[in-house]
Amino acid sequence: DIQMTQSPSSLSASLGDRVTITCRASQDIGNYLTWFQQKPGKSPRRMIYGATNLEDGVPSRFSGSRSGSDYSLTISSLESEDVADYHCLQSIQYPHTFGAGTKLELK
Amino acid sequence: QVQLKETGPDLVQLTQTLSITCTVSGFSLTTYNVHWVRQPPGKGLEWMGAMWNGGGTDYNSAFKSRLSISRDTSKSQVFLKMNSLQTDDTAKYFCASSYYYDGTPVWWGQGVMVTVSS
Repeated sequence: DIQMTQSPSSLSASLGDRVTITCRASQDIGNYLTWFQQKPGKSPRRMIYGATNLEDGVPSRFSGSRSGSDYSLTISSLESEDVADYHCLQSIQYPHTFGAGTKLELK
Repeated sequence: QVQLKETGPDLVQLTQTLSITCTVSGFSLTTYNVHWVRQPPGKGLEWMGAMWNGGGTDYNSAFKSRLSISRDTSKSQVFLKMNSLQTDDTAKYFCASSYYYDGTPVWWGQGVMVTVSS
């Protein structure tokens, strides 16, 4: 199975900060990488697909990028509503596998 | 408007079988895929398997032969069945749907929390 190593596991940042979360794939996954946001008690919400494509309705402060086997989710200027857990998912190979998640909190 | 809703038991006894139904609306099961994902309390997400729009299935081998996914297109329902439940199967179980050409879920149900009790 493809392992997705997500870092950091938790992150504390201030309003307006630039925040970056990264997933590293254990094998080549091309651009088959999706980012989800999950707020407490809620279902996940797809934010970015194909590594870099923003889902409709997602604020433009969110972006996705790739550098080799490292995939990043960046929030350019943190807002209070962005406090959530973030998960990456690879979908090139079965089983699809998620990263362990990142808990983003306000400092 | 795409909607999914899971219905199932709150509590299942150790070694028994879990059955959850995902009822969808706003799309046909022959055009969109349906995935099952679970999340133990306080932990991350785990992809369990999927029912593809054409009727095929794929499973996470971590569940070996315990897991079965089926559907009834006439009722717009997808079924998850997993046997030999253990305490570490305690989790919230989600069904979620994706476009037929896309392997990643866009729309999610609210999930059903299942506790395995000894």
